[in-house]
Amino acid sequence: EPEVTQTPSHQVTQMGQEVILRCVPISNHLYFYWYRQILGQKVEFLVSFYNNEISEKSEIFDDQFSVERPDGSNFTLKIRSTKLEDSAMYFCASSEEISYEQYFGPGTRLTVT
Amino acid sequence: AQSVAQPEDQVNVAEGNPLTVKCTYSVSGNPYLFWYVQYPNRGLQFLLKYITGDNLVKGSYGFEAEFNKSQTSFHLKKPSALVSDSALYFCAEDRDDKIIFGKGTRLHILP
Repeated sequence: EPEVTQTPSHQVTQMGQEVILRCVPISNHLYFYWYRQILGQKVEFLVSFYNNEISEKSEIFDDQFSVERPDGSNFTLKIRSTKLEDSAMYFCASSEEISYEQYFGPGTRLTVT
Repeated sequence: AQSVAQPEDQVNVAEGNPLTVKCTYSVSGNPYLFWYVQYPNRGLQFLLKYITGDNLVKGSYGFEAEFNKSQTSFHLKKPSALVSDSALYFCAEDRDDKIIFGKGTRLHILP
């Protein structure tokens, strides 16, 4: 069964550094998403992406965040200058169509020290 | 305003007993509702969805959920719980093409 994959599974970085989280969505899916889950809290929407542009973003997704689909398979989330409060589990998701169920990757745990 | 609410932080059920994990929604109109499960150190897995049609929705791993418009509820149910069902369960709504999650309910199935 096709699945969303994410790398790395765990990323440790120092405050102020840039990180890139990588995702490979399911191959025939057209819509891509990033969510985050701060430890012990609920999952929060960050951004949705379709047709090589951002469809929607939350207030969390400020100027330090960016997303890109650099080739036909990868979907990346870049955090330009990490802060301690960026420490969280970041989930990538994809869906075949709008309002179809979203399939989530296993997540990348980001730890900012 | 929160669109889905999960009133229970934790639910404990003995193995073999029926389980219910509660969810209520507050959006008007026809909501798109989902249940996701998160196993320890794993990502979110889709269980089932309600978009339209039958109020009783069947999903993965023997789970089902009943959409109740009068009570604005979408409770997750299973007739006979397994220890392996122990996990964190999220009710969610598709709002403007993004998933809005409830805070989650931790389900403990006691052997």
